Amino acid sequence: KQEVTQIPAALSVPEGENLVLNCSFTDSAIYNLQWFRQDPGKGLTSLLLIQSSQREQTSGRLNASLDKSSGRSTLYIAASQPGDSATYLCAVTQGGSEKLVFGKGMKLTVNP
Amino acid sequence: DTAVSQTPKYLVTQMGNDKSIKCEQNLGHDTMYWYKQDSKKFLKIMFSYNNKELIINETVPNRFSPKSPDKAHLNLHINSLELGDSAVYFCASSQGLADSYEQYFGPGTRLTVT
Repeated sequence: KQEVTQIPAALSVPEGENLVLNCSFTDSAIYNLQWFRQDPGKGLTSLLLIQSSQREQTSGRLNASLDKSSGRSTLYIAASQPGDSATYLCAVTQGGSEKLVFGKGMKLTVNP
Repeated sequence: DTAVSQTPKYLVTQMGNDKSIKCEQNLGHDTMYWYKQDSKKFLKIMFSYNNKELIINETVPNRFSPKSPDKAHLNLHINSLELGDSAVYFCASSQGLADSYEQYFGPGTRLTVT
C-alpha cells in the first residue's frame, strides 16, 4: 500500500529564505508526482507535475525534483515571500490504479 | 471564469438526512473525481469518472452515490448522513486519466452533520 509522507508537518521561516520541502513515498511504481498548494478554506492549486520519466520541473520560483528509485521528491522555493504561506501537499499517482495518493501536507508560514 | 465549481460551499444538516453536492467543470476535461478531506486535513480519493464511466470506487459506503449526467458534471449524493461524514468534499477534474495529467480542484464543500 502506497504511503506518502511529508516531514516536517509545519515550517515557519523569515521572508527571503530559500526553502526545501520534502516528500517521500513507499512504492516507487508511480506514474507521476504532483505538488499542490492549499490556502485556508480554499481548494487545491496544482503547482507542478513531474512524470515518472522526468527528474525535475520548474515554474517561476518553484523547482520540483523526483528521485523515483529512492522514493523522494523535493519542492524548492526560491526567495520565499509571505504570499507563499499555505499548506503544500505532495501526491503520487499510483501505478495501475489511476488514483492520487496524498501526503498530509506541510504548513508553511513565511514571516515578513 | 471558475474552472471547477462546487455548490453549495457550506452544508449543515442533521443525521439521517439525504443531501447532494454538485460539481461542474468548464475545462473540457474527460475525467472527474471526488475527494474527502477529514478533520485531520488528510485528503483521500472517493470516486473517479472517465467519460461518464466509473473507474475508481475507493471502498466508499454505498450511502454515497456519484452521478455523472455528462462529462462536465459529477454530482455526489449522500443518503442517511452520519456524523462521520462531516468533512470537506473536493471535486476535481483532469484532461485524461490521472497517470498523465494534472488535476484541477474545486473550492470544496464543507459538510457538517449534527
